Amino acid sequence: EADIYQTPRYLVIGTGKKITLECSQTMGHDKMYWYQQDPGMELHLIHYSYGVNSTEKGDLSSESTVSRIRTEHFPLTLESARPSHTSQYLCASSEYRTDTQYFGPGTRLTVL
Amino acid sequence: EDKVVQSPLSLVVHEGDTVTLNCSYEVTNFRSLLWYKQEKKAPTFLFMLTSSGIEKKSGRLSSILDKKELFSILNITATQTGDSAVYLCAVDLFSGGYNKLIFGAGTRLAVHP
Repeated sequence: EADIYQTPRYLVIGTGKKITLECSQTMGHDKMYWYQQDPGMELHLIHYSYGVNSTEKGDLSSESTVSRIRTEHFPLTLESARPSHTSQYLCASSEYRTDTQYFGPGTRLTVL
Repeated sequence: EDKVVQSPLSLVVHEGDTVTLNCSYEVTNFRSLLWYKQEKKAPTFLFMLTSSGIEKKSGRLSSILDKKELFSILNITATQTGDSAVYLCAVDLFSGGYNKLIFGAGTRLAVHP
């Protein structure tokens, strides 16, 4: 079973606030990913990382930024949250050998 | 454009029924096809399929891939209320120097007692 954690699980904040969504995994996976999912819709890749100091944007344009200073940690930051950022954010990680992605529990973000 | 299409979008059955969920895809640089089960929150991994015609089984769930016809099916036999979830199909492919997952919209399965 995968050990990948996200905090907070739920976040309700006002417009203009800076927020950081945390994601960490204890499996030593090199690859990590952030997905955004609106209710009833597909998951869309917004960021990914192949290792420390490696970050790339995914298919869906996002105003968020990410960093990968440590293998186990892949936080996502929104400098100034807006209502359009309201969504569920899912973090995942995978190992090079199989590339099977394991997901964290997600953070449901609501921006008022 | 790479795409993954799942059908049906929604399904309601009674306990004990058998269901078949469909996933078709059109992608370049296919690597594998994955099935996930998503309940309230995060998707949980079910199967990864890379070769045609080899059935993967886990309890009452099974899945098979047809790389010639570009589709996969997920079967659930003797369904239980705990099988109620959204079942996601995703294709892992190479694009722009990295591998990525393209997800379908999912099939929402409701199993009634």
